[in-house]
Amino acid sequence: AQTVTQSQPEMSVQEAETVTLSCTYDTSESDYYLFWYKQPPSRQMILVIRQEAYKQQNATENRFSVNFQKAAKSFSLKISDSQLGDAAMYFCASMNYGGSQGNLIFGKGTKLSVKP
Amino acid sequence: GAGVSQSPSNKVTEKGKDVELRCDPISGHTALYWYRQSLGQGLEFLIYFQGNSAPDKSGLPSDRFSAERTGGSVSTLTIQRTQQEDSAVYLCASSFNSAGNNSPLHFGNGTRLTVT
Repeated sequence: AQTVTQSQPEMSVQEAETVTLSCTYDTSESDYYLFWYKQPPSRQMILVIRQEAYKQQNATENRFSVNFQKAAKSFSLKISDSQLGDAAMYFCASMNYGGSQGNLIFGKGTKLSVKP
Repeated sequence: GAGVSQSPSNKVTEKGKDVELRCDPISGHTALYWYRQSLGQGLEFLIYFQGNSAPDKSGLPSDRFSAERTGGSVSTLTIQRTQQEDSAVYLCASSFNSAGNNSPLHFGNGTRLTVT
């Protein structure tokens, strides 16, 4: 069975600084997708970044980038130049290739605080 | 156009009562998902609709939970004889189709259900 583990229940970062959120996963599949979602107080889940496991190049979306270590089954999220609006819950998720998104497996989340 | 709309935003009910939660997906999206988010947890898959196919109900926790999707659009999640452990945020999401990474999920703001 797939599992996703986020070992940091809470993190804090100073505005304009960089923070890294950790995520490890376990799957027996060779092809899968990995995602980071952001959930602000509005409760709406927002896709931040996604990575296909077959791609060696780390995904990047503006200030957000990942460090994907397939052998270690690690998928960390780096937020550069942190902004107050980045404060939210962040969830790591995985999905086997060919599966429907009902098969998204989520971690328990990391609460990120941004200090002005 | 409008995003995924859920109603009510908050619902407080007495133990033993039935509740209905509504989700209005993005127009044209054929796939619709319901997730449950308990306090301090990630998202737990409940049920998934794809077009006119039979829904994937594998995530429903008990026979007190049911959902329908009328006309391939609006969906209603019904919880009968509510229990205190049903208290959670219920999130709905839709996507253009169910084809994994190429069809990202769009989430609503969820319904916070409190069973007293």
